[in-house]
Amino acid sequence: AQSVTQPDIHITVSEGASLELRCNYSYGATPYLFWYVQSPGQGLQLLLKYFSGDTLVQGIKGFEAEFKRSQSSFNLRKPSVHWSDAAEYFCAVLSGGYQKVTFGIGTKLQVIP
Amino acid sequence: DVKVTQSSRYLVKRTGEKVFLECVQDMDHENMFWYRQDPGLGLRLIYFSYDVKMKEKGDIPEGYSVSREKKERFSLILESASTNQTSMYLCASSPRTGVNEQYFGPGTRLTVT
Repeated sequence: AQSVTQPDIHITVSEGASLELRCNYSYGATPYLFWYVQSPGQGLQLLLKYFSGDTLVQGIKGFEAEFKRSQSSFNLRKPSVHWSDAAEYFCAVLSGGYQKVTFGIGTKLQVIP
Repeated sequence: DVKVTQSSRYLVKRTGEKVFLECVQDMDHENMFWYRQDPGLGLRLIYFSYDVKMKEKGDIPEGYSVSREKKERFSLILESASTNQTSMYLCASSPRTGVNEQYFGPGTRLTVT
C-alpha cells in the first residue's frame, strides 16, 4: 500500500533562514507527488506537484521540491522563510483511482523573529 | 478559480444527533471527497464519490454515510453523532480525467458534546 512519511512533526526556524521539510514515500510505480499548505483555520492549498519530467519542481510562494527516486524522497525547500510561512505542510501521493490521495501526518512550521 | 464551499465553519452538536455537513463545488468536478483531520493523524479519507449517486468507502467510513444527488454537492452524514467524531472535516473535489490535485474547502470544525 502507498504511504507517506513526514518524520518531523514540528519544525522551528528563524525568519530569513532556509527551510527543508522532509517527505518519504512508499510506492511501487512512478509516484505522483504533492505538497499542500494549511494556514491556521483554513483548508489545504496546493504548493506544488510532481508528475514527471524535471525532478526539481517550482511552486507558489517561493517553494520548490526535489524528487529523488533513489531515496524515495520529495523534500520541500525554501531559501528564506517569511513569518507568513508559519503553517502546516502536508506531503501526499496519488494512491489510487479517482484521484485518491494518501497524505502524510503533516509538519507544523513555526517561524520565530 | 475553483471554489469549494462548506456549509459551516464551526458546528456544535449533542451526542446522538444526526448531523449533516454540506459541500458544494463550482467547477463541474466529477470526484468529491470527505476527510477528517485530527492532530497527529493527518487527513484520513472517510468517503469519496466519482459521480452522481456513486460513492466509495475510504479508510474510516464507520459511523458516517454520504449523499451525492447533484454533481456539485456532496453531503456527509453522521447518523448518530458521538464525541469521538469531534474533528475538523474537510471536503475536496477534483476532475476525473488526467492526473490532478484536489481542491479543498475551508473545513468545518465539529464539536460533539
